Amino acid sequence: DTAVSQTPKYLVTQMGNDKSIKCEQNLGHDTMYWYKQDSKKFLKIMFSYNNKELIINETVPNRFSPKSPDKAHLNLHINSLELGDSAVYFCASSQEYPGAAFFGQGTRLTVV
Amino acid sequence: TQLLEQSPQFLSIQEGENLTVYCNSSSVFSSLQWYRQEPGEGPVLLVTVVTGGEVKKLKRLTFQFGDARKDSSLHITAAQPGDTGLYLCAGGYQGNAGKSTFGDGTTLTVKP
Repeated sequence: DTAVSQTPKYLVTQMGNDKSIKCEQNLGHDTMYWYKQDSKKFLKIMFSYNNKELIINETVPNRFSPKSPDKAHLNLHINSLELGDSAVYFCASSQEYPGAAFFGQGTRLTVV
Repeated sequence: TQLLEQSPQFLSIQEGENLTVYCNSSSVFSSLQWYRQEPGEGPVLLVTVVTGGEVKKLKRLTFQFGDARKDSSLHITAAQPGDTGLYLCAGGYQGNAGKSTFGDGTTLTVKP
């Protein structure tokens, strides 16, 4: 069983579209995250949720909206996609906050 | 501002050589993690260190946490091609609303 799974793995879409990325963890962790990894491989945190509540919201455009329906899920919705949104997005979870994180396999988003 | 600096940024060595990767900051960490990321995959946790001066070994990998908990090193003995990947350190510190931040990564290539 995959511990942290996110879908889709690849997403190609046009500028201006709205898209969602889903994430689920079966580790029983209390904290979930969304990270963005740019072309230089730098991992930057976007959001952190603890027990379904938002605890960190970095300086991310409000076109990005996370939603946590329950502790095991944290989805990311992106409105009005821009070329600069192209990156790999990783979902992760950890038992403690902050703590050692388990990552999904990533979603490579390409905006054309 | 990059809070966690890794060095070197790139490292290319021959199989059998030893190497050390450094992770430095001016901040004190409550814990520090090392991850390895392979192309097309998410980062995979290698180790967590929490105590100043702590040394942990994972087969040919030795991780050290600085006495002041501001820096860490990863030493690989007799590197193998399978060690190739992006190595990331991440620190969690209470002084930043309890969040973790990632270093900018070290890309290691081990040639057979």
